[in-house]
Amino acid sequence: GQQLNQSPQSMFIQEGEDVSMNCTSSSIFNTWLWYKQDPGEGPVLLIALYKAGELTSNGRLTAQFGITRKDSFLNISASIPSDVGIYFCAGRTLTGANSKLTFGKGITLSVRP
Amino acid sequence: GAGVSQSPRYKVAKRGQDVALRCDPISGHVSLFWYQQALGQGPEFLTYFQNEAQLDKSGLPSDRFFAERPEGSVSTLKIQRTQQEDSAVYLCASSTLGGVETQYFGPGTRLLVL
Repeated sequence: GQQLNQSPQSMFIQEGEDVSMNCTSSSIFNTWLWYKQDPGEGPVLLIALYKAGELTSNGRLTAQFGITRKDSFLNISASIPSDVGIYFCAGRTLTGANSKLTFGKGITLSVRP
Repeated sequence: GAGVSQSPRYKVAKRGQDVALRCDPISGHVSLFWYQQALGQGPEFLTYFQNEAQLDKSGLPSDRFFAERPEGSVSTLKIQRTQQEDSAVYLCASSTLGGVETQYFGPGTRLLVL
């Protein structure tokens, strides 16, 4: 099935560093979302973006909805060890009453203390 | 409970067995989604319910997959005659409405077909 493009597959950073992740698609989405998944758990929503060009922050996280509606980025500032996990971008296109999500493959983030 | 719960958390099946995976959504949530997450991949949409109505089953990979939500609350995903390629984590998510509201995910059921 269709998936969004996230790369690289893994990122390794030092505690305290900032990190930026990108997500691209060949399709337009009405909503972009960023999720974090810890081992053995389901994805947890970090940030939701609803308008092209929108820039939204949630604590140390900042995300932007691309102007073309085909991309988004997530920035984590001043990383800490608990930021370790898999970060997924997801796009949503409303089809009638359905708001199914299309996910990227995820980026595994490791933070060295 | 406070969140979405799924059971069992782990299931090992022999190829050809039928399995049933249960999802208890957050109380009062109208919408319920099932996703399949293969190892190293993101979740992929399987099917969607609004109350008891299955409005979209376009993501179900074959007719061996069947989902139901008879009373508009608990949902069951059934896989008949399991194959090795069915091995994955099956995630359930619920939301208050089918529109822009946040989908809350359960912990998933990890299915291994031998």
